[in-house]
Amino acid sequence: DADVTQTPRNRITKTGKRIMLECSQTKGHDRMYWYRQDPGLGLRLIYYSFDVKDINKGEISDGYSVSRQAQAKFSLSLESAIPNQTALYFCATSDHPSGNGYTFGSGTRLTVV
Amino acid sequence: RKEVEQDPGPFNVPEGATVAFNCTYSNSASQSFFWYRQDCRKEPKLLMSVYSSGNEDGRFTAQLNRASQYISLLIRDSKLSDSATYLCVVSGGYNKLIFGAGTRLAVHP
Repeated sequence: DADVTQTPRNRITKTGKRIMLECSQTKGHDRMYWYRQDPGLGLRLIYYSFDVKDINKGEISDGYSVSRQAQAKFSLSLESAIPNQTALYFCATSDHPSGNGYTFGSGTRLTVV
Repeated sequence: RKEVEQDPGPFNVPEGATVAFNCTYSNSASQSFFWYRQDCRKEPKLLMSVYSSGNEDGRFTAQLNRASQYISLLIRDSKLSDSATYLCVVSGGYNKLIFGAGTRLAVHP
């Protein structure tokens, strides 16, 4: 099994729908992150969490929310999806401090039509 | 100005060539530096950390120049399997990592 698992792998949804992307990890890391990737823009941080009771906004949090249900689980929600949220979404984990870098999930390809 | 800037490429090189990628970063307080590799539509994977004294891992050599806020990656004897996008990554505030947009490498026979 992968260290960081994202579900679903691919999703097509309609404008205005609520959608949740899930992430679970077996690394035992405290820190979890959600990024989106768009062509030419690289990875941009949406939200991050350093432990179960800690949630922080990243650079592009508008239109998104997150929930850290347990140390191993961090979910990302789009409350009302819009087409410019079409992107590749990655969940990542790290230990503290992140001097060893991040471990990424395989990504969720989301298309909003 | 982006926090981490890379030449997007693509770099098209023949097998066996030596190729170098450069990256500049804006936060002089950054402490951790990495190169990640990303294959098309796949997740980024850590290629190597970058240390102040420079470091080597097989055909890959990374250099850091803190004074100039510049990081480089050198790939010697390129293989077809090296074709990918290479992401320069720098630590930001609160131990977050900042990713460059990547440099695409295409190695051809």
